[in-house]
Amino acid sequence: GAGVSQTPSNKVTEKGKYVELRCDPISGHTALYWYRQSLGQGPEFLIYFQGTGAADDSGLPNDRFFAVRPEGSVSTLKIQRTERGDSAVYLCASSLRGQGDTQYFGPGTRLTVL
Amino acid sequence: AQSVSQHNHHVILSEAASLELGCNYSYGGTVNLFWYVQYPGQHLQLLLKYFSGDPLVKGIKGFEAEFIKSKFSFNLRKPSVQWSDTAEYFCAVNGNTGGFKTIFGAGTRLFVKA
Repeated sequence: GAGVSQTPSNKVTEKGKYVELRCDPISGHTALYWYRQSLGQGPEFLIYFQGTGAADDSGLPNDRFFAVRPEGSVSTLKIQRTERGDSAVYLCASSLRGQGDTQYFGPGTRLTVL
Repeated sequence: AQSVSQHNHHVILSEAASLELGCNYSYGGTVNLFWYVQYPGQHLQLLLKYFSGDPLVKGIKGFEAEFIKSKFSFNLRKPSVQWSDTAEYFCAVNGNTGGFKTIFGAGTRLFVKA
């Protein structure tokens, strides 16, 4: 398929563990976004990549959260020492160039921290 | 602070009724405005967007939205809803200030009775 894919679709972990969430954007899209969506809320911006670099990481809640996009395509969101409050759906989106372009969303990864 | 407010969290309509979902934003500078929709079991997808020009924007499936700058509003409308419009609708804003964040409202769940 040509859409944004995310793996895993569901992740259950224990408090204090480390998790990695993966996003495969649409081929050729230079911009990639991570969002977090809690129950009953809209997506909350975490970080924006333009190519390999994080152009805006102002939405990352604290230093336990980190994201990389080493080759300008696939991105990994990393969460250290997970807390129960990290439980949410993590959404990835990509767009052709940047902020003004339509963002195409993936299905999300539902993270549950027990 | 930058924010998006959606007035109704839940809306129930009968088929053929007219729809208007409210959206107000707080954002300094030039804005880009979006409505996204999430149908049951599907990804978030773009319904329509406003960047500049005609403040009345037409999107897919008969939806339209009007940007009223003086009211900081971008309300979504459809003259006659169908059962298949049952979904969650999100208003969002980004622009030339605030980095590359796209800020989403909390969403409105629309249920259309057949």
